[in-house]
Amino acid sequence: DAKTTQPPSMDCAEGRAANLPCNHSTISGNEYVYWYRQIHSQGPQYIIHGLKNNETNEMASLIITEDRKSSTLILPHATLRDTAVYYCIVLTDSWGKFQFGAGTQVVVTP
Amino acid sequence: EAQVTQNPRYLITVTGKKLTVTCSQNMNHEYMSWYRQDPGLGLRQIYYSMNVEVTDKGDVPEGYKVSRKEKRNFPLILESPSPNQTSLYFCASSPVSSNQPQHFGDGTRLSIL
Repeated sequence: DAKTTQPPSMDCAEGRAANLPCNHSTISGNEYVYWYRQIHSQGPQYIIHGLKNNETNEMASLIITEDRKSSTLILPHATLRDTAVYYCIVLTDSWGKFQFGAGTQVVVTP
Repeated sequence: EAQVTQNPRYLITVTGKKLTVTCSQNMNHEYMSWYRQDPGLGLRQIYYSMNVEVTDKGDVPEGYKVSRKEKRNFPLILESPSPNQTSLYFCASSPVSSNQPQHFGDGTRLSIL
């Protein structure tokens, strides 16, 4: 069963910030939120992950609400190369199993 | 360069002819995993391995076998391929578990006729 809910698609203008929401209302205390993306049919690419605190790296920022029931991935200055499917994942209890959801198709337009 | 290498990248074959898709990583990762991707169904995990000689089923293991005799290699075996195994396959690895960033290969596109 899906543990996250994401909008199926969203558009973003090149150069603007892209804010990708994810709902994970059933998340438990020790579960991390992970974000990956997949450009066309390439292998998925890790973006960022977090537990409670907001996180930032060279690719993106991750904002997790205080109750941890939702999060937002922020691409600060979207480029055309950021057009991809973005997956928000909350890990299952097992450290081996891994489930992608349907993701959000992000299209960055000029 | 740190990478996960899959071979072959493309394969067209016939029903029932055994095939192996190899996966090798050069990062000394303990965790490796196989996924398949189908239109409308997304990415689904087939098998994973937490370490040498330790493998376990993902969500869609039927029709597949794996082995983990060495840390760097995690081949996916289709003993008797069928058309419903036509798919895009990805291998991934991470340092310890699925709870760490996974590095993915470039994919193998299999067509079973």
